[in-house]
Amino acid sequence: AQSVTQLGSHVSVSEGALVLLRCNYSSSVPPYLFWYVQYPNQGLQLLLKYTSAATLVKGINGFEAEFKKSETSFHLTKPSAHMRDAAEYFCAVSLPGDGNNRLAFGKGNQVVVIP
Amino acid sequence: DVKVTQSSRYLVKRTGEKVFLECVQDMDHENMFWYRQDPGLGLRLIYFSYDVKMKEKGDIPEGYSVSREKKERFSLILESASTNQTSMYLCASRGTGTGVYEQYFGPGTRLTVT
Repeated sequence: AQSVTQLGSHVSVSEGALVLLRCNYSSSVPPYLFWYVQYPNQGLQLLLKYTSAATLVKGINGFEAEFKKSETSFHLTKPSAHMRDAAEYFCAVSLPGDGNNRLAFGKGNQVVVIP
Repeated sequence: DVKVTQSSRYLVKRTGEKVFLECVQDMDHENMFWYRQDPGLGLRLIYFSYDVKMKEKGDIPEGYSVSREKKERFSLILESASTNQTSMYLCASRGTGTGVYEQYFGPGTRLTVT
């Protein structure tokens, strides 16, 4: 079964600084990859997804992620953090052969933005 | 826009009660999912359904059952609630076909079992 690793349950970043959230997956074939964001007391919202069309994926709210097959990674970045980026972020993976596209989620990164 | 709604945002139940969590989606999606979310553990799949009356166990089905009598509605049932089922429960739905379809999530139900 595929698994997803997100290191650092809590990540603090200064307002205006780079946001970098790391995601590594374990899969023998290139999977489909997703980043979701969860704002307080809300469900998950899709930030972006990788579907093999392009290795650099741009998402909503200025976020982007780069798929690196050699590193089995899909790290999420944003050049300049805003206070509104304070939320929990989840990386998720599904396998192309799984017709139901079940997702395996990482444990999440709680991002705190320091003014 | 896809809308996934859950019947309650907050729920408090007593140990041993039978609990129903309801989820409705308005996009005619075939697949529906129930997850529980706990701090430090991420989301874990309880059950999913790929069609009406069809269901499959996820990673942590013990203590739960599900029902899908209509395509738009997927219910999670706690037959006899226990304190270790206190958690946030998230429902999701997803369409099928060619291409990669993401899951759409409801707002969640925070269940407390006392």
